[in-house]
Amino acid sequence: AQKITQTQPGMFVQEKEAVTLDCTYDTSDQSYGLFWYKQPSSGEMIFLIYQGSYDEQNATEGRYSLNFQKARKSANLVISASQLGDSAMYFCAMTLSTGNQFYFGTGTSLTVIP
Amino acid sequence: DTGVSQDPRHKITKRGQNVTFRCDPISEHNRLYWYRQTLGQGPEFLTYFQNEAQLEKSRLLSDRFSAERPKGSFSTLEIQRTEQGDSAMYLCASIPWLGGAYPNTDTQYFGPGTRLTVL
Repeated sequence: AQKITQTQPGMFVQEKEAVTLDCTYDTSDQSYGLFWYKQPSSGEMIFLIYQGSYDEQNATEGRYSLNFQKARKSANLVISASQLGDSAMYFCAMTLSTGNQFYFGTGTSLTVIP
Repeated sequence: DTGVSQDPRHKITKRGQNVTFRCDPISEHNRLYWYRQTLGQGPEFLTYFQNEAQLEKSRLLSDRFSAERPKGSFSTLEIQRTEQGDSAMYLCASIPWLGGAYPNTDTQYFGPGTRLTVL
């Protein structure tokens, strides 16, 4: 069975500082994709970053980077230079090569403090 | 077509009533997914379509729930005899799935969701 675990229900970070949101996953498949989404209070799910299981380099997208440690089955999101607009729920998700569904974690609520 | 759309955005209904939600995916996307999200939780998979075929349904999808995608374009999700436990955000997502042994999509495009409140 596939599972995504986010152990930080809430995080606080000072504006302009970096923050790491933790995500561990469990699967026996060798081929999978890992995603991070942002969900503001308005409710829409916003794609942030993607990492394929065979990608050797960590993914980066602007201020977002994914710290992928395959042996530890972790896919932590690093947000650099936090902004007030980064305050939101963040979800880690995974899909397998079949793409039959995306598995989501329970999310981490990030609050950026001015 | 700028994204996935869902209608209505909000629905308030009384227990026991039937409700139907609509999702219009991005036009060239062949896969369409339905998720349910309750407060404080991540989205939970309900079902998905590839073109018009419904390929998988979650155990969460009781017999009161039915989904269709008749022409492989828009999809509807109907809940019959609604219960208070059905109150949630219902999210629709789509992707252009090309197959293969490696997830070749870098994202799943979500709609804004339909928030259902059952009184």
